[in-house]
Amino acid sequence: AQTVTQSQPEMSVQEAETVTLSCTYDTSESDYYLFWYKQPPSRQMILVIRQEAYKQQNATENRFSVNFQKAAKSFSLKISDSQLGDAAMYFCAYFSGTYKYIFGTGTRLKVLA
Amino acid sequence: GAGVSQSPRYKVAKRGQDVALRCDPISGHVSLFWYQQALGQGPEFLTYFQNEAQLDKSGLPSDRFFAERPEGSVSTLKIQRTQQEDSAVYLCASSLAQGAGQPQHFGDGTRLSIL
Repeated sequence: AQTVTQSQPEMSVQEAETVTLSCTYDTSESDYYLFWYKQPPSRQMILVIRQEAYKQQNATENRFSVNFQKAAKSFSLKISDSQLGDAAMYFCAYFSGTYKYIFGTGTRLKVLA
Repeated sequence: GAGVSQSPRYKVAKRGQDVALRCDPISGHVSLFWYQQALGQGPEFLTYFQNEAQLDKSGLPSDRFFAERPEGSVSTLKIQRTQQEDSAVYLCASSLAQGAGQPQHFGDGTRLSIL
């Protein structure tokens, strides 16, 4: 069975600095998708970034980028120039072509002014 | 509206009562998902609809949980004879189609508290 592990329950970053959130997963599939979602206190899950496993190039969305290491089954999220609005829970999610998302337990990111 | 809408936003019920949670997906979205999110945890899959067909209900914790989507749009998650362990946030998500890693669009969730 596929699993997703986020080993950092909480992280802090100074405003304008860079932070990296870790995610590892376990799967025997070769084709799948990985996502990072952000969940602010309002509870709505917001898609941050999406990575297709067959693409070697790391996905980038403005200040957000990933370091996708397929062999190591690692999918970390880098947030550059952190802003106060980035404070939230961040969830890593795995999707393997059926319909089930498998989420990690989340990392709470605090941004310090 | 433009997004997934869930109601009520908060629901408090006494143990043993039945509750119904509503989800209005984004118009035209074929796929609809329900998740249960316990405090401090990630969402866990409950059930999946493709249009009006419930294709997977393997995540429903017990036969007290029932979901429907009779016309392929609005969905209702019903919990009968609620118990304290049912307290959680229930998230609904929809996506345009199945597969190909379509991103899911989430609602704000319903926070259910069982007293």
